[in-house]
Amino acid sequence: KAGVTQTPRYLIKTRGQQVTLSCSPISGHRSVSWYQQTPGQGLQFLFEYFSETQRNKGNFPGRFSGRQFSNSRSEMNVSTLELGDSALYLCASSLGFGGYSPLHFGNGTRLTVT
Amino acid sequence: DQQVKQNSPSLSVQEGRISILNCDYTNSMFDYFLWYKKYPAEGPTFLISISSIKDKNEDGRFTVFLNKSAKHLSLHIVPSQPGDSAVYFCAASADSGNTPLVFGKGTRLSVIA
Repeated sequence: KAGVTQTPRYLIKTRGQQVTLSCSPISGHRSVSWYQQTPGQGLQFLFEYFSETQRNKGNFPGRFSGRQFSNSRSEMNVSTLELGDSALYLCASSLGFGGYSPLHFGNGTRLTVT
Repeated sequence: DQQVKQNSPSLSVQEGRISILNCDYTNSMFDYFLWYKKYPAEGPTFLISISSIKDKNEDGRFTVFLNKSAKHLSLHIVPSQPGDSAVYFCAASADSGNTPLVFGKGTRLSVIA
């Protein structure tokens, strides 16, 4: 079974631009979560989607948005990029939602904002 | 306010010895705890979990202990192997799994041959 696929793997953008990251979950998984990892900060929760509905949202500004499609694939968008948005963005899928269903992570998209 | 804390950023252990990674939490509503392992350039992978109704869970060389009164959990790896060298994240969830996982900042384990 294929794992979680995130594209692209690396991205370099300039301040003020916007970016869209893509995530394809494991087949059959209906829940997709997004996390941001920065050095020394661990994994910070961004959003969680289940069956195209946003179930939970983390404490990030409105510049960060996401969506999930009917095939469970998900995208996240960051508008008006800032230098502090440079991070590893991780997508994870699970069979169910919430913490009881172990997350299966992709290898992430490394975003660099210059 | 950090709800899940891993106070040791790094740990170095000799091959064959025991590795003990610690995690403290502040939210008494957390009722499910997980450990993830992360290698460079890869996403975290699920390692082991424990529900708050238990105080110990074992899976091969990995054992997680939970002390609810102290709001503390630990991951024991015995015996440690060089392939265990990675960053380990502790994570917790509340409300019977309806809330997203909250992760600690991670502990980098180095197992020296």
